[in-house]
Amino acid sequence: GAGVSQTPSNKVTEKGKYVELRCDPISGHTALYWYRQSLGQGPEFLIYFQGTGAADDSGLPNDRFFAVRPEGSVSTLKIQRTERGDSAVYLCASSSSGGAEEQFFGPGTRLTVL
Amino acid sequence: GENVEQHPSTLSVQEGDSAVIKCTYSDSASNYFPWYKQELGKRPQLIIDIRSNVGEKKDQRIAVTLNKTAKHFSLHITETQPEDSAVYFCAATSSTGNQFYFGTGTSLTVIP
Repeated sequence: GAGVSQTPSNKVTEKGKYVELRCDPISGHTALYWYRQSLGQGPEFLIYFQGTGAADDSGLPNDRFFAVRPEGSVSTLKIQRTERGDSAVYLCASSSSGGAEEQFFGPGTRLTVL
Repeated sequence: GENVEQHPSTLSVQEGDSAVIKCTYSDSASNYFPWYKQELGKRPQLIIDIRSNVGEKKDQRIAVTLNKTAKHFSLHITETQPEDSAVYFCAATSSTGNQFYFGTGTSLTVIP
């Protein structure tokens, strides 16, 4: 079956602009995670959804970052007033039911803020 | 919160030799420890995982060991092959799985 997909694969924006990054999880997976990966680093947890609700958003760095998953499937990560330090690869992952189980990652969106 | 440290950051081995990567964690509530392989420009993929109720798990050339008392776990790759070259990440999470904490990665190069 289809894996996790993310769009766009690359996004270049200017400082101060607003961006949206989309994640399509594996069909039927209730758990969805967003991570940020900077060059040479491991994925950094941002937010975890269980169904439609954000079960844990403690990893969001500040209030410029927001994510939604209105129907419990597709999720959108929204970044307002982008800064150069936001440049990174944003990874999405899903798992069957959440908890201590394998996460399946998407290919990521490379965000570059000029 | 959890803190996961990973060593070494880079590792070069000759083809056929073994490679060992070590991680430590801080949260004693963590009970699930996956290892992911990430090839250049690709997404991370799970290669093996272990839960806190076992001390060792093996899958062909790959094994993981866990020492709960010392809070460390290790990845062992035997008979390395050039296609094992990649960045490897360890991770730790609690039973709720709300947050996965990743190490900083080990870049493994297998020299033919």
